[in-house]
Amino acid sequence: DAGVIQSPRHEVTEMGQEVTLRCKPISGHDYLFWYRQTMMRGLELLIYFNNNVPIDDSGMPEDRFSAKMPNASFSTLKIQPSEPRDSAVYFCASTLQGAAGNTIYFGEGSWLTVV
Amino acid sequence: AQSVSQHNHHVILSEAASLELGCNYSYGGTVNLFWYVQYPGQHLQLLLKYFSGDPLVKGIKGFEAEFIKSKFSFNLRKPSVQWSDTAEYFCAVRSGGYNKLIFGAGTRLAVHP
Repeated sequence: DAGVIQSPRHEVTEMGQEVTLRCKPISGHDYLFWYRQTMMRGLELLIYFNNNVPIDDSGMPEDRFSAKMPNASFSTLKIQPSEPRDSAVYFCASTLQGAAGNTIYFGEGSWLTVV
Repeated sequence: AQSVSQHNHHVILSEAASLELGCNYSYGGTVNLFWYVQYPGQHLQLLLKYFSGDPLVKGIKGFEAEFIKSKFSFNLRKPSVQWSDTAEYFCAVRSGGYNKLIFGAGTRLAVHP
């Protein structure tokens, strides 16, 4: 079975440019999460969706960040304009609401470098 | 606010040594607890999880963890580590009926042959 699929795997962009990260959750999963990982701050939850609806975006660092989930099989995380401090690995993850203890599965991450 | 504390940021061991990584959380209600592992350059993979029942949980690759509710702890253990266990280990908590995971800062384990 295909896991969580993210693209691009690696991106290097110049400060001020728009960055769009994409995620395809595991088919049938009804929760989707965006996490950011940096050396300084570890793993931070940015936002998560349930049935395509944003539930908690309190982790989104500022207005330059936005996320959408237009349908059950696709989500985007956009940074506009990007800044060097946005350099990080961005992970998408998904899970299916069910019995307690349902596992959250992570994608392989999008490694973003803003220069 | 919920939080997860991992006591050791870096651990260096020789092969065959025993491992224990500490994890404490700060939520008093029902919790689900997880340990994830991230090998160099890879994504997070689930090692083991606890949601109810036997507080001693066994996971993949010989890892186990013990949930001690009175101590708000979920420490990860392995009796004999291997070089291939070199990775970063993350403790995570899900609580309050929500699906989001709160992660600890991670512990980097280096195992020397």
